[in-house]
Amino acid sequence: NAGVTQTPKFQVLKTGQSMTLQCAQDMNHEYMSWYRQDPGMGLRLIHYSVGAGITDQGEVPNGYNVSRSTTEDFPLRLLSAAPSQTSVYFCASSRDRANTEAFFGQGTRLTVV
Amino acid sequence: GNSVTQMEGPVTLSEEAFLTINCTYTATGYPSLFWYVQYPGEGLQLLLKATKADDKGSNKGFEATYRKETTSFHLEKGSVQVSDSAVYFCALRSTGNQFYFGTGTSLTVIP
Repeated sequence: NAGVTQTPKFQVLKTGQSMTLQCAQDMNHEYMSWYRQDPGMGLRLIHYSVGAGITDQGEVPNGYNVSRSTTEDFPLRLLSAAPSQTSVYFCASSRDRANTEAFFGQGTRLTVV
Repeated sequence: GNSVTQMEGPVTLSEEAFLTINCTYTATGYPSLFWYVQYPGEGLQLLLKATKADDKGSNKGFEATYRKETTSFHLEKGSVQVSDSAVYFCALRSTGNQFYFGTGTSLTVIP
């Protein structure tokens, strides 16, 4: 059982480049989300989705786009990378019920130079 | 609004010492509460959870009790091991189904 799979694990981008971070889950979870983790700031929510075709913004959405065409996949697009987007990115999925936990991917370490 | 405040680290303990990591929360409604653990280079893993007041979550010797009267969910372990060295996150899931995480507490256990 793969759980939540993120690719790539590491990425270096030049300022202004665009890229897509991939996230897939095989647990048929309705709820998926993207976080960034920065030192001393914990996890901050970028975007989330409660089902295919439905997405919404989190705490720090600027500079990022998402889409949810299937239940399994929730890619995160960086439109024009900036050094401030250097971070570790985590995708998570869960059932859409308040008493259930989130399952996390292994993370993508992104450096923008 | 919803938020989680947890004890700042880093925390350094000797093996077999008692561990407490404090966590308090602010929430609307009746949230579920979680502790996650993150080992170096890995994603977050669920350590334990509690879904209603007075519930005690436990796993791998760790425990936390959902205290509604003090809005707290402190993590405890009676005797830590070197292998417990990690970053610990307290989190809540609100009735709107979003998760809110604390800033994390780094624990180092020395032999």
